[in-house]
Amino acid sequence: QLQLQESGPGLVKPSETLSLTCTVSGGSISSSSYYWGWIRQPPGKGLEWIGSIYYSGSTYYNPSLKSRVTISVDTSKNQFSLKLSSVTAADTAVYYCARVREGAYDYWGQGTLVTVSS
Amino acid sequence: SYELTQPPSVSVSPGQTARITCSGDALPKQYAYWYQQKPGQAPVLVIYKDSERPSGIPERFSGSSSGTTVTLTISGVQAEDEADYYCQSADSSGTYGDVFGTGTKVTVL
Repeated sequence: QLQLQESGPGLVKPSETLSLTCTVSGGSISSSSYYWGWIRQPPGKGLEWIGSIYYSGSTYYNPSLKSRVTISVDTSKNQFSLKLSSVTAADTAVYYCARVREGAYDYWGQGTLVTVSS
Repeated sequence: SYELTQPPSVSVSPGQTARITCSGDALPKQYAYWYQQKPGQAPVLVIYKDSERPSGIPERFSGSSSGTTVTLTISGVQAEDEADYYCQSADSSGTYGDVFGTGTKVTVL
């Protein structure tokens, strides 16, 4: 059974960079059938797509976040990562990683809350 | 920006049918997907490619598409179906990538 697990600091200071890693188990991140994505959800609000990456390294970002986002993949560790720079309180959210199969986010991590505060 | 619009809330009695709409200009050209999210949990895919149901999803969940609107239908609603539901799709130009709808809270009366 495929599992995804987000990890990283739960508290980030304003203006600093948020860094999260998603570890994939029970399947290979190098499969040509899938993309891997990041989605976030501010407390009490809806889902927002952040971006996606293919195992080859091709990336796709939400235009509203593109200037601050970097998504990378490490196939040797079966992981992919998110970096979001210059964070503010508006970036406080639960961050999810997920597998994308034919456009559908079919497997999700449990999510991790990241709070931006000094 | 590209937006997918859903009604904020839908209320339904147990055993009745709930219909949740999602409107977007690119929906005639792009597939839609639906997710169920219960409090404190990650979203779960319930419909993909407009009307396909993943394995393990009850048959009471179905999807349809007509023009710029897609609809998630829950037939014979059960108390456990109370949750937030989100549609997801992409804009036709590829400019905006994937987009999630505004979300609909389904309340079982």
